[in-house]
Amino acid sequence: SQTIHQWPATLVQPVGSPLSLECTVEGTSNPNLYWYRQAAGRGLQLLFYSVGIGQISSEVPQNLSASRPQDRQFILSSKKLLLSDSGFYLCAWGTGTEKLFFGSGTQLSVL
Amino acid sequence: DQQVKQNSPSLSVQEGRISILNCDYTNSMFDYFLWYKKYPAEGPTFLISISSIKDKNEDGRFTVFLNKSAKHLSLHIVPSQPGDSAVYFCAASEGGKTSYDKVIFGPGTSLSVIP
Repeated sequence: SQTIHQWPATLVQPVGSPLSLECTVEGTSNPNLYWYRQAAGRGLQLLFYSVGIGQISSEVPQNLSASRPQDRQFILSSKKLLLSDSGFYLCAWGTGTEKLFFGSGTQLSVL
Repeated sequence: DQQVKQNSPSLSVQEGRISILNCDYTNSMFDYFLWYKKYPAEGPTFLISISSIKDKNEDGRFTVFLNKSAKHLSLHIVPSQPGDSAVYFCAASEGGKTSYDKVIFGPGTSLSVIP
């Protein structure tokens, strides 16, 4: 069966520090991969999606970037975090149907 | 511009009664709709979906109704149980246009089922 791993579960980082969140998927090949963010009191905002290795599309211009170095690995990064980057980050995968499968999320607090 | 709207941020329902969560959308190209359920500090999990060629889909206690002319869908939970207390996200997709499924989520409705 397919599983998605996302870590860390929580992260507290100072403003200006770098960020790296990692997500891996098991049990499927060539999945579509996504990064979403849920800011406090708001819905899920699509940040990045990828349909293949090295193929990244950005939905919202921001302080973040994403990379897909391997088929089932998706990384969210920042060189310098801002206070506004705080939120709950979710990785998800899909197979070309609309149903997405989410990881357990990372609660990021930028102080 | 928010393409998927959930105008009720929260809803409280007595256990055993019906919960009705509403969702409106603006993009007439959306042809597939989903509901996700999310507990605190967890990722959302898929609950139920409906294609635009249907007006109703039922799965156990959960039923989704779609009114395309009104660009409105609703999720009915009958009977409501305390374990249903969670945030419910409405989502929509144009589907089939590209190789990826770009799913747009609403802001969510927090449901509290009171024992």
